Amino acid sequence: EAGVAQSPRYKIIEKRQSVAFWCNPISGHATLYWYQQILGQGPKLLIQFQNNGVVDDSQLPKDRFSAERLKGVDSTLKIQPAKLEDSAVYLCASSPRPFKGSSYNEQFFGPGTRLTVL
Amino acid sequence: AQSVSQHNHHVILSEAASLELGCNYSYGGTVNLFWYVQYPGQHLQLLLKYFSGDPLVKGIKGFEAEFIKSKFSFNLRKPSVQWSDTAEYFCAVKFNMDTGRRALTFGSGTRLQVQP
Repeated sequence: EAGVAQSPRYKIIEKRQSVAFWCNPISGHATLYWYQQILGQGPKLLIQFQNNGVVDDSQLPKDRFSAERLKGVDSTLKIQPAKLEDSAVYLCASSPRPFKGSSYNEQFFGPGTRLTVL
Repeated sequence: AQSVSQHNHHVILSEAASLELGCNYSYGGTVNLFWYVQYPGQHLQLLLKYFSGDPLVKGIKGFEAEFIKSKFSFNLRKPSVQWSDTAEYFCAVKFNMDTGRRALTFGSGTRLQVQP
């Protein structure tokens, strides 16, 4: 089974520029997550999609970050304009539909995109 | 807000030493608990998880963790570490306040370095 794919793996931009990341989840996984992992910290959720709908974007800085999952499959995360503090690894994860009676199923993580903002 | 604390930021052990990494969370309700591992250059992988039942759970590669509800803790243990266990370990919690929100709250991670 192919894992979660992300591209690019690395990106270096200058502040105030725009950048976009792409994620293709494991086939058939209904739920997709974007996490931000700043150096020395654990991943922090930015946004959660269930199919093509947003379930939780409470921690997404909406003035500069946006994300979409138009057809309920792959997803893009955009930052416009980037700030120095956006330097981080952006992780995409996906999980299948939970079993009946359960609220959770395992999340599978991609390799991440390492963003450096100069 | 709910939080997850990992108090050991960097641990250095010799091979065959025993390992215990602490994890505490700040919520008295129902939780799902996880340990993830990130080996150098690789992505996050699930080590073990606790949903319910026996509070002592066993994971891959000889790791185990014990859920102590009264202490809000989920410590990771391994009786004898190997050099290949060198990695970063993350404790994560799903706070079951809204079953639609399945995202995890992660601790800050513990970097384990095992010396041969």
